[in-house]
Amino acid sequence: AQSVTQLGSHVSVSEGALVLLRCNYSSSVPPYLFWYVQYPNQGLQLLLKYTTGATLVKGINGFEAEFKKSETSFHLTKPSAHMSDAAEYFCAVSAGGGADGLTFGKGTHLIIQP
Amino acid sequence: DTGVSQDPRHKITKRGQNVTFRCDPISEHNRLYWYRQTLGQGPEFLTYFQNEAQLEKSRLLSDRFSAERPKGSFSTLEIQRTEQGDSAMYLCASSPTGTGNTIYFGEGSWLTVV
Repeated sequence: AQSVTQLGSHVSVSEGALVLLRCNYSSSVPPYLFWYVQYPNQGLQLLLKYTTGATLVKGINGFEAEFKKSETSFHLTKPSAHMSDAAEYFCAVSAGGGADGLTFGKGTHLIIQP
Repeated sequence: DTGVSQDPRHKITKRGQNVTFRCDPISEHNRLYWYRQTLGQGPEFLTYFQNEAQLEKSRLLSDRFSAERPKGSFSTLEIQRTEQGDSAMYLCASSPTGTGNTIYFGEGSWLTVV
């Protein structure tokens, strides 16, 4: 079984500041890791994913994440926050095979201060 | 638009009534998933289809819930004798067969049981 823990239900940063959203996972097999973003009253949009290979993955809208197996982490970062980044962010893990899809964390609400 | 589409987007129903949601996945995707999301929580897996076969069901899917994908294309999720606790957003998603593939989500169907 796998699980995801997102540290901080709310994160507030100033526009132009670094964004760091934390995600730790638990998986009994090598995981596939995902970050999704959700805007109000909308579905989820994929930001980036890690499957195999390079541990630093780049996604859309300037976001990137680094898979650290030793720390069981997959933190999401963006060098400079923009007002349009305000949204809910979800980290998710799949144990592969897609049999049961994704296990999501509870989400982190990102607030951008002007 | 070739994304995952869901209908209706919003549904208000009285307790005890039946409701049905429809999902049209991305046309070439074999896998289809249903998730439920309540306020302040991440999506929770309900069930999964590979073509027309329902291969996995969560314990969250009580006997009042039934999902079908009769021809391996669109899917329906029916909730019988709705309860207030069923109020949530129901998300449909689809993906190609294979490990590590991106799961694409629809906009979701909001259910409010009054």
